[in-house]
Amino acid sequence: DAMVIQNPRYQVTQFGKPVTLSCSQTLNHNVMYWYQQKSSQAPKLLFHYYDKDFNNEADTPDNFQSRRPNTSFCFLDIRSPGLGDAAMYLCATSRGVWGTSTDTQYFGPGTRLTVL
Amino acid sequence: SQQGEEDPQALSIQEGENATMNCSYKTSINNLQWYRQNSGRGLVHLILIRSNEREKHSGRLRVTLDTSKKSSSLLITASRAADTASYFCAIPLTGGGNKLTFGTGTQLKVEL
Repeated sequence: DAMVIQNPRYQVTQFGKPVTLSCSQTLNHNVMYWYQQKSSQAPKLLFHYYDKDFNNEADTPDNFQSRRPNTSFCFLDIRSPGLGDAAMYLCATSRGVWGTSTDTQYFGPGTRLTVL
Repeated sequence: SQQGEEDPQALSIQEGENATMNCSYKTSINNLQWYRQNSGRGLVHLILIRSNEREKHSGRLRVTLDTSKKSSSLLITASRAADTASYFCAIPLTGGGNKLTFGTGTQLKVEL
């Protein structure tokens, strides 16, 4: 089945210790997104790639970086995690048909990050 | 903010009852989507309604859209325990191409 996969599902890191979360997709979608979701809140978009074009949200902290080495994979790097970065991190994809805003997004199961 | 506001924040009903949740937004949109999120999981797309549609059905789901009031509602009929989840409306970001902003969410609990 075509899907969005996130690894690991649970990640524990120490304050200030860099961590990388990964996302892969078999949908061959153009767009990949990273969201941060804190408890009982809406997902908040951090950034997205349209193909190789990186689009950062204005309020995404510099502590968060992303890489998309190919169509299938996208990584979220947190350079120096703080306690406030503990959250669920969701990866999503969409077809990215140019000129339309009716894209449906397909989400992975998420990675829950704990910062000690 | 373009984020949708949902109400109620939480809803608890008995199995077999209907559940209605509402989403209000501030900007003009050309479509609105609803997503479901089971606890600790990713979001799943439920339905998309375009601005020229007033109502749309999918199984036990019924979505309405009133662009004059800038509001949408999601009705789940004959609810089941498996419908227990958080429900989010999502609207396209102005000038955002393929980006969505998600509403504040409604936590639905369906009890046996």
